[in-house]
Amino acid sequence: DQQVKQNSPSLSVQEGRISILNCDYTNSMFDYFLWYKKYPAEGPTFLISISSIKDKNEDGRFTVFLNKSAKHLSLHIVPSQPGDSAVYFCAAPSNAGGTSYGKLTFGQGTILTVHP
Amino acid sequence: DAGVTQSPTHLIKTRGQQVTLRCSPKSGHDTVSWYQQALGQGPQFIFQYYEEEERQRGNFPDRFSGHQFPNYSSELNVNALLLGDSALYLCASSLTGRYTEAFFGQGTRLTVV
Repeated sequence: DQQVKQNSPSLSVQEGRISILNCDYTNSMFDYFLWYKKYPAEGPTFLISISSIKDKNEDGRFTVFLNKSAKHLSLHIVPSQPGDSAVYFCAAPSNAGGTSYGKLTFGQGTILTVHP
Repeated sequence: DAGVTQSPTHLIKTRGQQVTLRCSPKSGHDTVSWYQQALGQGPQFIFQYYEEEERQRGNFPDRFSGHQFPNYSSELNVNALLLGDSALYLCASSLTGRYTEAFFGQGTRLTVV
């Protein structure tokens, strides 16, 4: 059961344009979401997060939008830069007995390529 | 601060063998989680260790076991290796409950032949 889905395996954009990466989830118990970026031969690094009490969180060029009714979130990168080329994962932590132990459920990832 | 370090970086094992992967968490972190990332997939949670005990476990068989030492470092052991165990194994460390500050190591690439 894939509770977090990223249906676009890859995305290619031109430098300076907007990149939009999408993520859908099925578990209505998820109340926090994170985006990670992963370069080859490196581990994932935390990028930005959003709580379910918000519908938008912004950090510099990165903005995450959450649509709870649609169980959908998206990551916007504006403007896109060649250094943003990486694999992007959305993830949600699972709670156990009301306490969050940090078990993360990841989507399959989207490979973003930003062309100069 | 060295961050999360994993060893070895690459490993080739034969089907049926056993393997041990190691992880040193970021300084000050007390919780270690292990993930398996198959090619083209997102990381999948294997288990998490806190206070030297397995606190939470994902959907992995008992062939996967672990250990956490008093200095918070951790090992992942896989017995009776299968070809399907070939993957990138990631270790993540954090302070308990502070999942937004989980830091990942670079991973160990395990190939089973």
